[in-house]
Amino acid sequence: QVQLVQSGAEVKKPGASVKVSCKVSGYTLTELSMHWVRQAPGKGLEWMGGFDPEDGETIYAQKFQGRVTMTEDTSTDTAYMELSSLRSEDTAVYYCATSTIPRNGMDVWGQGTTVTVSS
Amino acid sequence: DVVMTQSPLSLPVTLGQPASISCRSSQSLVYSDGNTYLNWFQQRPGQSPRRLIYKVSNRDSGVPDRFSGSGSGTDFTLKISRVEAEDVGVYYCMQGTHWPPITFGQGTRLEIK
Repeated sequence: QVQLVQSGAEVKKPGASVKVSCKVSGYTLTELSMHWVRQAPGKGLEWMGGFDPEDGETIYAQKFQGRVTMTEDTSTDTAYMELSSLRSEDTAVYYCATSTIPRNGMDVWGQGTTVTVSS
Repeated sequence: DVVMTQSPLSLPVTLGQPASISCRSSQSLVYSDGNTYLNWFQQRPGQSPRRLIYKVSNRDSGVPDRFSGSGSGTDFTLKISRVEAEDVGVYYCMQGTHWPPITFGQGTRLEIK
């Protein structure tokens, strides 16, 4: 059974970057399609990007193109999401979530990482 | 991008009564392989989202059979046959047919009257 454990809460200043980690257990990263979804306070779910197993590439939502980088360390089965040029609107809970078939949505979710952007 | 529109956005329900949530997509969600990739998620207060249903009507393991999904094309429904206290939370529909990107509905907040 897949389990995802994310890194702890972060507080960042506007303009800085944040890197959130997501440790996979129960499976190896190469067997999964990893996605990142965020949720601003009191708001809904917003997909940021994820791995397309058909193309073998990571795809980013257009809104985050140029600001987000999703990487994987297969030696430690840890995925990372780095978001740069942070602004107050990036304050949110960031979730990693895995899927065996991306079109079916994410079937396992991490516990979430709160990122607060404040001067 | 495909826009997912849910209604109602707030749903007060009496314990033991049925509940129904509608989800409409701005384009047909029938994919070229014949499948319809419309999925439902539940997010209980203070918890991470959890997938309930995938491909319109397939319940995930451990999901009570009081939850059911139906629909086709652009119109979909999540039904709870008899609401229990543990069902309180926000429900989201999500389309995967036209990914990327994956898009979610705005969410429907279910509460007990």
